[in-house]
Amino acid sequence: SQTIHQWPATLVQPVGSPLSLECTVEGTSNPNLYWYRQAAGRGLQLLFYSVGIGQISSEVPQNLSASRPQDRQFILSSKKLLLSDSGFYLCAWSPGGGWQPQHFGDGTRLSIL
Amino acid sequence: GNSVTQMEGPVTLSEEAFLTINCTYTATGYPSLFWYVQYPGEGLQLLLKATKADDKGSNKGFEATYRKETTSFHLEKGSVQVSDSAVYFCAPRGIYNQGGKLIFGQGTELSVKP
Repeated sequence: SQTIHQWPATLVQPVGSPLSLECTVEGTSNPNLYWYRQAAGRGLQLLFYSVGIGQISSEVPQNLSASRPQDRQFILSSKKLLLSDSGFYLCAWSPGGGWQPQHFGDGTRLSIL
Repeated sequence: GNSVTQMEGPVTLSEEAFLTINCTYTATGYPSLFWYVQYPGEGLQLLLKATKADDKGSNKGFEATYRKETTSFHLEKGSVQVSDSAVYFCAPRGIYNQGGKLIFGQGTELSVKP
């Protein structure tokens, strides 16, 4: 069966520091991968998605970036964090194409001080 | 563009009450429709799905029927429990969306009191 792992679970970072969040999927090949952010008490905002290695689409302009160095690895990064980057970050995967749902990781709670 | 509208929360019910959370959407073509649930401090879990008109998705006592004529996918449960307290998201997946993106509403918070 397929599983998705996301880490760390919680992270506290100072303003201006770099960021790296990692997500990996097991048990499937060539998945679509997604990064979402959820601000407190709000809905989900899609940040990036990827349909293949090295293919990244950005949904919103920001100081975050994403990379997919391997088929089942998706990384969210920032060179300098802002206070507004605080939130709950969720990684998700789905089979490529078709009518399939997305499956979510447990999330990373990021607090910027 | 594609969008989804959910009833605003929070919704507060007593245990064993009947639940309806309304969801309507706009999308090109006939999207797949999903309900996700998010328990406090956790990620989203797929609750149920429907992929074509008149399909009924069901899971854990929850049901939702794909209504093409009203572009709706309302979530129902006959008797809620305290453990159902969570945020519920309706999410169409448009077939013409590049990358199979889901369209999320703002979510509806449900609080069930004993």
